[in-house]
Amino acid sequence: EDQVTQSPEALRLQEGESSSLNCSYTVSGLRGLFWYRQDPGKGPEFLFTLYSAGEEKEKERLKATLTKKESFLHITAPKPEDSATYLCAVQSYTGANSKLTFGKGITLSVRP
Amino acid sequence: SAVISQKPSRDICQRGTSLTIQCQVDSQVTMMFWYRQQPGQSLTLIATANQGSEATYESGFVIDKFPISRPNLTFSTLTVSNMSPEDSSIYLCSVDFRSSPEAFFGQGTRLTVV
Repeated sequence: EDQVTQSPEALRLQEGESSSLNCSYTVSGLRGLFWYRQDPGKGPEFLFTLYSAGEEKEKERLKATLTKKESFLHITAPKPEDSATYLCAVQSYTGANSKLTFGKGITLSVRP
Repeated sequence: SAVISQKPSRDICQRGTSLTIQCQVDSQVTMMFWYRQQPGQSLTLIATANQGSEATYESGFVIDKFPISRPNLTFSTLTVSNMSPEDSSIYLCSVDFRSSPEAFFGQGTRLTVV
């Protein structure tokens, strides 16, 4: 069974203070690892897909990296508008559908 | 990507009643998914809805409690039946496209059962 563990559960940063969010996973055969951002009262918003170890993706202040066991979402010089819950999910090759297995999310708060 | 509209965005319901949540997509999609997001918990897949066939339910979810319709390639409904306070949660509709594995989500329906 696919499993995703995210840490820490919550993170409070000062504006400009860079940090990383961790997503550890176990999956029988990784088809893709996904990062989403979720604001209160809204559905998850797609950020990145990573397919293989060593791959990196960047978007503004965010960079996602992937190894065979975990993924990191690095946030460089965050701003208050980066405050949100960040979700990690994996999709495996097993099974007939495109099921995603999610972690519980990391709630990021950035203080001005 | 796609524009996914869910209705209602929130509701407060009496226990024992049922609520039907609608999901409309602005383009045709093969697979639609329904998730539940309980406070402090992971998004959990309830079922996968394919047009023209019965929905496929995940372990712990049954059709009598969560009946799903998928009448065409742009629309689906999820009904939460005979509700109890334990059904209070956010329910999310999701779609993906054959051309890429990413899933896209509606804004969710926040359900409170009293």
